[in-house]
Amino acid sequence: GQNIDQPTEMTATEGAIVQINCTYQTSGFNGLFWYQQHAGEAPTFLSYNVLDGLEEKGRFSSFLSRSKGYSYLLLKELQMKDSASYLCAVTPKAAGNKLTFGGGTRVLVKP
Amino acid sequence: DADVTQTPRNRITKTGKRIMLECSQTKGHDRMYWYRQDPGLGLRLIYYSFDVKDINKGEISDGYSVSRQAQAKFSLSLESAIPNQTALYFCATSDRTGIETQYFGPGTRLLVL
Repeated sequence: GQNIDQPTEMTATEGAIVQINCTYQTSGFNGLFWYQQHAGEAPTFLSYNVLDGLEEKGRFSSFLSRSKGYSYLLLKELQMKDSASYLCAVTPKAAGNKLTFGGGTRVLVKP
Repeated sequence: DADVTQTPRNRITKTGKRIMLECSQTKGHDRMYWYRQDPGLGLRLIYYSFDVKDINKGEISDGYSVSRQAQAKFSLSLESAIPNQTALYFCATSDRTGIETQYFGPGTRLLVL
């Protein structure tokens, strides 16, 4: 079966750093995605990790440890517009990109 | 213009009614997906299609059916709507090449009374 866990909610201050953790237990693994979703809107792609290590994209970085079934999304220099839900999703196998999503982490950025 | 569109954007219906949600895409992708999103439960896959002749059930297909009318169109039907199908529904597409990132439509908010 598939099990993906991430915290429900986090609060941080503008300009600070927040780390959103995601742990997964899936039958097979072919990559992990992070999506951002503003309230009432569609999820949008942020990052993809398939190999262990850190992928950096501007203010956002994503880390993966396959042996630990663990990933995190790091948001630096937080801005008010970063207030959103962040969805961790795993693609279990190479044949066909069926994503299994975690419940999402709602991040609230305060002034 | 949006690459993935969904109609309607909002819908209120009554228990027992049949309704159809439509999805169209101009990205030229072969693969299309239907998800529902409920608070705290994340996105759950209802059905997916890897090409026009390929339809597959996802984790929560009971009470739903789909039709892939063309490469660009993928419709989701609720044959007899029930209140626990009240949710936000998303269509998504992906290309078979590369990392197969999924691109989501704007969503349809459905309320079943």
